Amino acid sequence: GESVGLHLPTLSVQEGDNSIINCAYSNSASDYFIWYKQESGKGPQFIIDIRSNMDKRQGQRVTVLLNKTVKHLSLQIAATQPGDSAVYFCAETLTGGFKTIFGAGTRLFVKA
Amino acid sequence: SAVISQKPSRDICQRGTSLTIQCQVDSQVTMMFWYRQQPGQSLTLIATANQGSEATYESGFVIDKFPISRPNLTFSTLTVSNMSPEDSSIYLCSVKRTGVAPYNEQFFGPGTRLTVL
Repeated sequence: GESVGLHLPTLSVQEGDNSIINCAYSNSASDYFIWYKQESGKGPQFIIDIRSNMDKRQGQRVTVLLNKTVKHLSLQIAATQPGDSAVYFCAETLTGGFKTIFGAGTRLFVKA
Repeated sequence: SAVISQKPSRDICQRGTSLTIQCQVDSQVTMMFWYRQQPGQSLTLIATANQGSEATYESGFVIDKFPISRPNLTFSTLTVSNMSPEDSSIYLCSVKRTGVAPYNEQFFGPGTRLTVL
């Protein structure tokens, strides 16, 4: 079945450095790829999405890169701040559908 | 945005009993989803509950175990029936707005933490 997974379960970065969180997916029939941030005790929060026909999209301090050749998705966070500490999930929305499938998650620790 | 509240926020239940989780949204939404998240793990979609139609369940989830109601555009309930310790998890309600960008953004409730003894 479809699945979305991550390479690294935890990532520790120094405050001010850039963070890169990676994700591998297996389903080619996805319309959008999405990144969510989940802080402790809260539900996930939408960060950014990218359509499957794009390879890069930038938001505020975040950039998402999509490489469909190797089925790889990454989230880059510039100038990482303590408030960025959370679990980050990649997710995908299958073509023609509305449901979202979540990946395994990476916990980001930001060291002051 | 959409603000979602869930009741109860947490509960400890005995095996064999049932628990109904309520989800209230501050605006009318067509698409509503129920997810399960075990501690330290990802979210697994249980079912899609759109108003005016029967809930659609994902593989591994059945209506007898997780009956869902969707009486209107702002409210839904998920019941966890005949509970066992394996049902211990966080249950999350989520909604997606239609016709409003970003189109893939889903809003999540704070979750209901269920422990089954």
